[in-house]
Parts: sequence; structure tokens; C-alpha cells
Amino acid sequence: GENVEQHPSTLSVQEGDSAVIKCTYSDSASNYFPWYKQELGKGPQLIIDIRSNVGEKKDQRIAVTLNKTAKHFSLHITETQPEDSAVYFCAAPAWGGATNKLIFGTGTLLAVQP
Amino acid sequence: GAGVSQSPSNKVTEKGKDVELRCDPISGHTALYWYRQSLGQGLEFLIYFQGNSAPDKSGLPSDRFSAERTGGSVSTLTIQRTQQEDSAVYLCASSLALANQPQHFGDGTRLSIL
Repeated sequence: GENVEQHPSTLSVQEGDSAVIKCTYSDSASNYFPWYKQELGKGPQLIIDIRSNVGEKKDQRIAVTLNKTAKHFSLHITETQPEDSAVYFCAAPAWGGATNKLIFGTGTLLAVQP
Repeated sequence: GAGVSQSPSNKVTEKGKDVELRCDPISGHTALYWYRQSLGQGLEFLIYFQGNSAPDKSGLPSDRFSAERTGGSVSTLTIQRTQQEDSAVYLCASSLALANQPQHFGDGTRLSIL
């Protein structure tokens, strides 16, 4: 089965700086990697996802990169703003995508200091 | 509404009582998932429904936990004889049944066992 590790567990940056969160996965058959943002008292919200047929995907200030050889993927947030402060989770499919079940990382608490 | 709806948003009950949590998925989403999130922790998979297939119950922590999905839409998660360690946020998500589809989460039910 899949195992997902996420680092760092906490990250503090100054407003305007970039933030990078990294995840590794164990199952080389995994082919879908979503990132979620969770604000206090809310459910996780999908912010970006990537499929294994591409190495990078961007959406405004957010980008995700995927290295299939090394089995890791990263979330990049540029020009951080205080409203980016939240907990971020990465995920990968269980059983290489044989089901829609996701295995989540343990989360990164991002604090953007104004 | 267009999103996943969960009720109640908060539930306080005494140890030993039974509780029922409800999830209304996004219309047209045939896959439905329940997760548990303890304070400051990641998402723990509980159960997954996909169409008319037998549910994946591999994450249910004990036989006090059960879930059903009637008519392929609304789901209820039932916890019998609640214990204090059941205190957590219970999150529901739904997705299309195709492989590697984004899961969309509700805002959860915060369960507190006194």
C-alpha cells in the first residue's frame, strides 16, 4: 500500500517570500497527487492537483512539481500573503490508484508573517 | 448548495450515547468518503462508498463504527456507545467515480464526548 510523508510540519515565512512543502510517496504506480488547504474550522479545499503524465502544473501563485523517478512532489507558493496561512495536506492514491481512496500526508502548518 | 453538506456542524454528547452524523454529497458524485481528524492531526480514512459496490470499511477503528449510504446519495456515520477518544472532527468527501478524481470535502462535524 501507499505511504506518504510530508515535510516540514511547520513553516513560517515573511509576506512576499516563497514557501515550499515537500511530499514523498512509496508506490511507483501512483499517478495522481492532489494538494489541499485547510483553514481553521473548515474542511480541506483542493487547491491544485497533478497527474503523472506531467512534471509541473501552475495556477497563478501556486505550482506543483512531480519527480516520478525520485517519487516526490512539491507545492510551491510564491509571493505569499497572510491569507495563505493554513494547514496544507498532500495526498496520493492508495494501491497505485486501483481505488479512489487517498492516503494523506500529516500536514504542514504554514504561517505567513505580515 | 453546490458543495458537500454535513450535519450537525457540532455535536456534544455524553459517553456511552450513540450518535449519527449525516453527509449530503455533491449531486452526481457516486463516490463518498468518511475521514476522522483528531485535534492537530491529519486525515484518518474510515470508509469509502463507490456506487453499488461493497464499501471499503478497512479504516473503521472498531465495530462501534458503522456507515450506510441509502439510495446512492446521503450517508450516515453511526458511532455506538461513544467513548472520549471518539472526540474529533468527522469529515465527509465526495467525488466522481472515475479514477483519480478530486475529492471535495464538507466542513465536518465536530464531535465532543463528555
